[in-house]
Amino acid sequence: AQSVAQPEDQVNVAEGNPLTVKCTYSVSGNPYLFWYVQYPNRGLQFLLKYITGDNLVKGSYGFEAEFNKSQTSFHLKKPSALVSDSALYFCAVRDGDDKIIFGKGTRLHILP
Amino acid sequence: DAGVTQSPTHLIKTRGQQVTLRCSPKSGHDTVSWYQQALGQGPQFIFQYYEEEERQRGNFPDRFSGHQFPNYSSELNVNALLLGDSALYLCASSRGGQGRYEQYFGPGTRLTVT
Repeated sequence: AQSVAQPEDQVNVAEGNPLTVKCTYSVSGNPYLFWYVQYPNRGLQFLLKYITGDNLVKGSYGFEAEFNKSQTSFHLKKPSALVSDSALYFCAVRDGDDKIIFGKGTRLHILP
Repeated sequence: DAGVTQSPTHLIKTRGQQVTLRCSPKSGHDTVSWYQQALGQGPQFIFQYYEEEERQRGNFPDRFSGHQFPNYSSELNVNALLLGDSALYLCASSRGGQGRYEQYFGPGTRLTVT
């Protein structure tokens, strides 16, 4: 079965420190991978995607993600966290039927 | 350029009733997908419309149905509402009907079934 997992319900990071939000996936064929962010009472906002090409993908608001095929991972990273980065982050993958499957989400808390 | 819009913002219905939610996609987008997001969960794919046809469907019962109009706007209909249908319903639009393109989400409709 095709799936995406976000193993951490919550991640706490001090402001200014680097952050990582983890995502692993299971999908047949070449994966299309996405990260979205959700602020309170808002819809999801697109951050970045990996379709093909460089394993390091750069996105909005200084975020980047590294595609690792051997580990089937697509972790979201940022070199220096801001308090305003506090939100709910979702990893998503396109499955073989062209449907998008979302993870359960990871709540990121940036501590001032 | 307006993004994805959804109406209404909030809705309260009684068990057994029927509800219709509406979505207008971002300008230039021809594909609309609907998701159900329960509290504390990730969005669950309901179905996707492209060229006025349902192209993909998630694991949702037939009580959930939809429609796409020639102007690409879409409706989600839910019949015989259950308490478990209470959730945030998100509409997302994209281009081309293929999973390689990022989706733009609306703010959602909060449905409460009592």
